[in-house]
Parts: sequence; C-alpha cells; structure tokens
Amino acid sequence: QVQLVQSGAEVKKPGSSVKVSCKASGGTFNTYAFSWLRQAPGQGPEWMGRILPIVGKGNYAQKFQGRLTITVDTSTHTVDMELSSLRSEDTATYYCAKDMGSGQGASFDSWGQGTLVTVSS
Amino acid sequence: DIQMTQSPSSLSASVGDRVTLTCRASQSITTFLNWYQQSPGKAPKLLIYGTSTLQTGVPPRFRGSGYGTDFTLTISSLQPEDFATYYCQQSYSAPRTFGHGTKVEVK
Repeated sequence: QVQLVQSGAEVKKPGSSVKVSCKASGGTFNTYAFSWLRQAPGQGPEWMGRILPIVGKGNYAQKFQGRLTITVDTSTHTVDMELSSLRSEDTATYYCAKDMGSGQGASFDSWGQGTLVTVSS
Repeated sequence: DIQMTQSPSSLSASVGDRVTLTCRASQSITTFLNWYQQSPGKAPKLLIYGTSTLQTGVPPRFRGSGYGTDFTLTISSLQPEDFATYYCQQSYSAPRTFGHGTKVEVK
C-alpha cells in the first residue's frame, strides 16, 4: 500500500507560481504512475496531469498546457507539481494520487491528504 | 472532453435505507466508470472501478452497475460512515473527468 504525504498549505499572489510536493512511501515507486488533481470548493476533482517515474516526462491536460510542470525525483520518491501564472480561479485543494492501471480503465487508488492553495491579492 | 452528470446533487436518508445514485456520461464509456467516496476534509477514496468491481476492503453493501452512458451506485443498507459525497469518474478517454458529486446527508 502506497502512502502519499504532501507539503503544506500555500497562499500566493496572482501571477506568481506555486510548487507542491508529494512524497511516496511503501510499494515500488518506479513502477507506478502519479497524477495531480485539484478540487475547487463544492466541485468534483479535476485531473491535471501525470508522470511515470521511469520515463520522467509529464503529460498534461490541455487546459494546463504551458502553466503546469510535473517533475519526479526517484532518489527521494517525490513528485512535484508547479503551477505558474496563478489566478484566483486556481484556488483549490491540490491532490497527488497514484494511478491504478494505465490507459483505459485507470483509476486513482491512493491519494495524498491534499494541499490548499489560496490565490489572493 | 466527456461530461459526467450525477443525480441527484444531494439526498437525505436514514441509517438502514437503500439508496441509489446515478451517473450519466455524455457519450458511451462502455464499463470504464469508477466511483469514489469523500468525507468532509478528506481525500476521495476509491470504492468501485470498472463499473462493478469493489476496491479491496470496501464492504459488499456497495454495488455498482451500468453500461454505456448510464450507471448506478447502490448502497443496500446505509451505515453511519456512509454519509459522504460520492463522485463518478470516467476512464474511457483522456482527460479522465469526474461528476460534480452526490451528497448523502442524514435525514
């Protein structure tokens, strides 16, 4: 069973960037894929992008192309998410999650505890 | 992107009740449908994947069914820990998308 622990809450100004970390323990890190999702208040989760540690290259939802970067450090079992050009609509709780399966049928079977990112002037 | 619509948005029920939640996809997703449970202040938890397969540790009072565009999650006898919000998620095509949720509240 994989445990995911995320970094703490952030408050950011519009136009700035935020970086959220997710450290994995248990399981076999390099064999998994990890996704980042976010959830605005009162809304369902929204998938942002994912990365495979053995590949090291993220793939991103079109909505976040150019603003989102997901990176991985296989030595520390950490997956980071950086979102730039922040606006108020980016205020949400951000989650890292482990993918179960790949391609069609993939679900998210382990989740971090969530990191609240607040964008406010 | 595939749109997922859940109904109702909320419902009130009592312990022991049988409840049925509905999820509809904007196009056929065959059986690539997952369900999650989220309690306040917590991360979502995977309940059911592939329309009807219970994730390890999920009690059998939860049952998923459906095909194509119409899916249901049934809780046969509601327990106190089941009062939460439930989300469906399609895994047929990228990007994987979620519904807006059904909140199951205490009557």
